[in-house]
Amino acid sequence: NAGVTQTPKFQVLKTGQSMTLQCAQDMNHNSMYWYRQDPGMGLRLIYYSASEGTTDKGEVPNGYNVSRLNKREFSLRLESAAPSQTSVYFCASSGGQVNTEAFFGQGTRLTVV
Amino acid sequence: QKEVEQDPGPLSVPEGAIVSLNCTYSNSAFQYFMWYRQYSRKGPELLMYTYSSGNKEDGRFTAQVDKSSKYISLFIRDSQPSDSATYLCAMRISYSSASKIIFGSGTRLSIRP
Repeated sequence: NAGVTQTPKFQVLKTGQSMTLQCAQDMNHNSMYWYRQDPGMGLRLIYYSASEGTTDKGEVPNGYNVSRLNKREFSLRLESAAPSQTSVYFCASSGGQVNTEAFFGQGTRLTVV
Repeated sequence: QKEVEQDPGPLSVPEGAIVSLNCTYSNSAFQYFMWYRQYSRKGPELLMYTYSSGNKEDGRFTAQVDKSSKYISLFIRDSQPSDSATYLCAMRISYSSASKIIFGSGTRLSIRP
């Protein structure tokens, strides 16, 4: 009964380093999302994937790339990390019986120094 | 201008009080409205969702939508300390899971025993 699983839970990067945040869901959902959450800013959509093989930009896509590897997995890549990308990153999926609901992972706390 | 605006609070009320949380939005195409609750260091969880104008009640929680004013509210009756969390409104244009979900910035609520 895992739902949405994100790895890693915590990460510290140096400016300029790259990394990939992993996300997997076991609910057979079509849509998956990446959000970042900063104090006072709420959840801002980075990228989303309406279905396997498609991806679209959200509100704040600059500095990120995504891959919808298959129906279960949706990864977020930072090619050259910047301190402005210090944030909590949430992956979510939706597409079950009640399509409006998005299920969230526990988040990845990323610090770029 | 952000598509969804929400007062960030924080809001502190005594136990048993009625709480009113609000969001405004600018995109008249939004049709589905949701409220998520987020406890500290956790991912958001769906509390309620509504479609079209009107009220929807679930226990101590009532969600209200006024499309003509582009204004939504969440009321919590008989508030409990366990209701202390951040509440985020969210909206989407289509019932389809292909439609992206846009969040407000969240209101931090604290219920004093």
